[in-house]
Amino acid sequence: SAVISQKPSRDICQRGTSLTIQCQVDSQVTMMFWYRQQPGQSLTLIATANQGSEATYESGFVIDKFPISRPNLTFSTLTVSNMSPEDSSIYLCSVYSGNTIYFGEGSWLTVV
Amino acid sequence: GQQVMQIPQYQHVQEGEDFTTYCNSSTTLSNIQWYKQRPGGHPVFLIQLVKSGEVKKQKRLTFQFGEAKKNSSLHITATQTTDVGTYFCAGRFTDKLIFGTGTRLQVFP
Repeated sequence: SAVISQKPSRDICQRGTSLTIQCQVDSQVTMMFWYRQQPGQSLTLIATANQGSEATYESGFVIDKFPISRPNLTFSTLTVSNMSPEDSSIYLCSVYSGNTIYFGEGSWLTVV
Repeated sequence: GQQVMQIPQYQHVQEGEDFTTYCNSSTTLSNIQWYKQRPGGHPVFLIQLVKSGEVKKQKRLTFQFGEAKKNSSLHITATQTTDVGTYFCAGRFTDKLIFGTGTRLQVFP
């Protein structure tokens, strides 16, 4: 199993600012995933973060807007840059451990 | 790209009625997972199906994976108010997990 801690759990951010979300796992994992869930919507995969290489972004997401770091096998960060109200979402990190995927409890961001 | 669709988008039922949500993928899946998200909460893993035609049960919940591994269903027997939430399927495509559009279930007492 894997226990995932995300910080912050909630934040209210000013338009035009950037916020970095941290994801800490209690075990070493090869891949970490970042998802976004906009209000009333499903989860959308933003990118896959691999240790030692650049993140792989899904269609519609770019590194300039969502830079990701993966300095080691237990930690990753996602930055939401130059935020606008459309970025108000829950951001979740997840990992595979064994054949099961685990989610953090999410970071609820509101952009005003 | 990979897409996972769910129907219906919403379902309102009277407590005690049954409920089913259907999940369809545009391509063959390695496995499929189901999640439940309560209002204000994060998705919680329910189950994973791996084998073609697999059926699994969790109390009143029955999960099915299609023979072609491109569709799945979740059936709840005799719904209760505690079943309220949004149910997501999520298909695994190699290393990625793509979520379905979700079905929001409302149960009236």
